[in-house]
Amino acid sequence: DQQVKQNSPSLSVQEGRISILNCDYTNSMFDYFLWYKKYPAEGPTFLISISSIKDKNEDGRFTVFLNKSAKHLSLHIVPSQPGDSAVYFCAASAMQGGSEKLVFGKGMKLTVNP
Amino acid sequence: DSGVTQTPKHLITATGQRVTLRCSPRSGDLSVYWYQQSLDQGLQFLIQYYNGEERAKGNILERFSAQQFPDLHSELNLSSLELGDSALYFCASSVSGRVHEQYFGPGTRLTVT
Repeated sequence: DQQVKQNSPSLSVQEGRISILNCDYTNSMFDYFLWYKKYPAEGPTFLISISSIKDKNEDGRFTVFLNKSAKHLSLHIVPSQPGDSAVYFCAASAMQGGSEKLVFGKGMKLTVNP
Repeated sequence: DSGVTQTPKHLITATGQRVTLRCSPRSGDLSVYWYQQSLDQGLQFLIQYYNGEERAKGNILERFSAQQFPDLHSELNLSSLELGDSALYFCASSVSGRVHEQYFGPGTRLTVT
């Protein structure tokens, strides 16, 4: 049972354009959502997050939108740069059994073409 | 560089064997997390330690065990290895134990043949 889903395995965009990465979740108990970026041979690095009480969070070129009714979040990167080419993971957290756990999606490979 | 170190980077071993993966958290971080990333899968949470004590458990097999030592480094022991255990194993650390503040190491790639 996959609680966090990234249904598109890859996305290719032109430099300067907008990249939109989507993520769906099924567990209504998730209260915090995060995006991680991963380059080859490196561990994931935190990019941006959003609390379930908000619907938007912006940090420079990165904006995350949360639609709780649809159980959907998206990451917008504007403008996209070649250095943004990486695998992006969506993750969600919830308290379960007195402890907090992160659940990750399978990831999506973003390629930004010069 | 996240400040989290993992050794070894690569490990190739045979089925039925036992291996130990090591993680050193960032200086000052009390919590260590272990994740497994199999082919085409997201990261699966295995286990969390906080200041030497087990705090949370995820989808960790009984053949796997972990511990955190007084100097806060952690080891993940994988025994009776199967082909399906081939994966990237990531360690992460955080100062407070909150999952939102995790820093990941570069991972150990385990190949079971």
